[in-house]
Amino acid sequence: GQNIDQPTEMTATEGAIVQINCTYQTSGFNGLFWYQQHAGEAPTFLSYNVLDGLEEKGRFSSFLSRSKGYSYLLLKELQMKDSASYLCAVREVRSGGYQKVTFGTGTKLQVIP
Amino acid sequence: DTEVTQTPKHLVMGMTNKKSLKCEQHMGHRAMYWYKQKAKKPPELMFVYSYEKLSINESVPSRFSPECPNSSLLNLHLHALQPEDSALYLCASSQDWGREYNEQFFGPGTRLTVL
Repeated sequence: GQNIDQPTEMTATEGAIVQINCTYQTSGFNGLFWYQQHAGEAPTFLSYNVLDGLEEKGRFSSFLSRSKGYSYLLLKELQMKDSASYLCAVREVRSGGYQKVTFGTGTKLQVIP
Repeated sequence: DTEVTQTPKHLVMGMTNKKSLKCEQHMGHRAMYWYKQKAKKPPELMFVYSYEKLSINESVPSRFSPECPNSSLLNLHLHALQPEDSALYLCASSQDWGREYNEQFFGPGTRLTVL
C-alpha cells in the first residue's frame, strides 16, 4: 500500500513563490505526478518525476528525492488563477504487472492579493 | 483533439434506477480509467482498462459495472446505488498503462447524486 502526505492548506501572496511538499511511502515507487485541480473541475497534469532532481516547466518546477520519499512543487510568480488544489500522485508498480497511481489528499492553495 | 468528454454532466437517480455514465476520447489512448471523488478528497481509482480489457478492479461493489465497447469509449453502468455513492465520477485516459511516463488526461466528470 501507499501513504502520501501533503499539507491540507496553504496561503501565499500574488507574485510570490510557494513550495508545496509531498512525502510518500511505497514499496514499488515508479514515478510521481503533480496535478492541479480547480474547485468543481477535473485534475490537470502539471509535472512528472521519476529520477532524482528538479524538473522545470515555466513557472512550475517539481523536485524529487527517491531516497527520502519526498517531492515538492514550486510555483513562482504566483497569480490569482493559481488558487486551486495541488495533488501529488505516486505510481506504484508491483510484481506480476500490477500498477496503480494513487493520489494524495491534495493541498488547497489560496493566492491573496 | 486532446480532450476526454463525459456525459452526462450531472445525474440524479433513485436507488432503484439503472443509469450509465459515458466517457469518450479520440487521442488514440489505449488505457482508460474510472475514478470516484468525494468532496474535499482525492480521486480514488475504481477501474483500469488496458487495450479494452479490464486490468484493475479496486474491489468496487458490483452495483458499478464498467464496459469498454471499443478503444475510444468507456461506460460505467450503475444499478441499485446507495446515497453514499454520490460523488464526482471522473474518467481519464493515458497513452497506455504500462508506459512509465503516463500522464493521465481527465474528463470534466459526472456529478452523481443518489436519492
